[in-house]
Amino acid sequence: DAGVIQSPRHEVTEMGQEVTLRCKPISGHNSLFWYRQTMMRGLELLIYFNNNVPIDDSGMPEDRFSAKMPNASFSTLKIQPSEPRDSAVYFCASREEGQIQETQYFGPGTRLLVL
Amino acid sequence: KQEVTQIPAALSVPEGENLVLNCSFTDSAIYNLQWFRQDPGKGLTSLLLIQSSQREQTSGRLNASLDKSSGRSTLYIAASQPGDSATYLCADLKLSFGAGTTVTVRA
Repeated sequence: DAGVIQSPRHEVTEMGQEVTLRCKPISGHNSLFWYRQTMMRGLELLIYFNNNVPIDDSGMPEDRFSAKMPNASFSTLKIQPSEPRDSAVYFCASREEGQIQETQYFGPGTRLLVL
Repeated sequence: KQEVTQIPAALSVPEGENLVLNCSFTDSAIYNLQWFRQDPGKGLTSLLLIQSSQREQTSGRLNASLDKSSGRSTLYIAASQPGDSATYLCADLKLSFGAGTTVTVRA
């Protein structure tokens, strides 16, 4: 398996623009997670899906952020409108819940810079 | 909500020394605990997963223990090498991450 795939790997945009981050989880994994990592706040969970259904979105910072998982092999995280404080590395991760070894696998991340 | 703390925040050791990284958590009803490694500018790589019913896991030079009663997990890295230099994070797979310990192994 290719692992968790994220695109784009780098994104530079201007304040006010819409940003869409994409994730393809590992095939067969039923849970998907979006995280944000900054120097100041470390790694924060934004939202967690299980079987394509959002289970916990309490970490989504505000209404400008939205996430979807239309099927088991694809998820998006959208920021509209973007702001400079959204600059961070955004990670997607997946795992197969309900198995004994529920190891979580991370994608390489999308490095977002909002000017 | 589970809070996960890692101390120290940074550690520098000479090559060959054993490393001891600490992780503490506030809720003893931990789900599963996972240790990750993160290299600069990279994603997180899973090192070891300890299920809540286990006390330790081993993989090569790495050994991780879990003591739920004291709210602690420890990652031991034997005979450290410069290639072990990275940030190590622990996480309760109920989704709380520690801030990490940045390790530098000096040649």
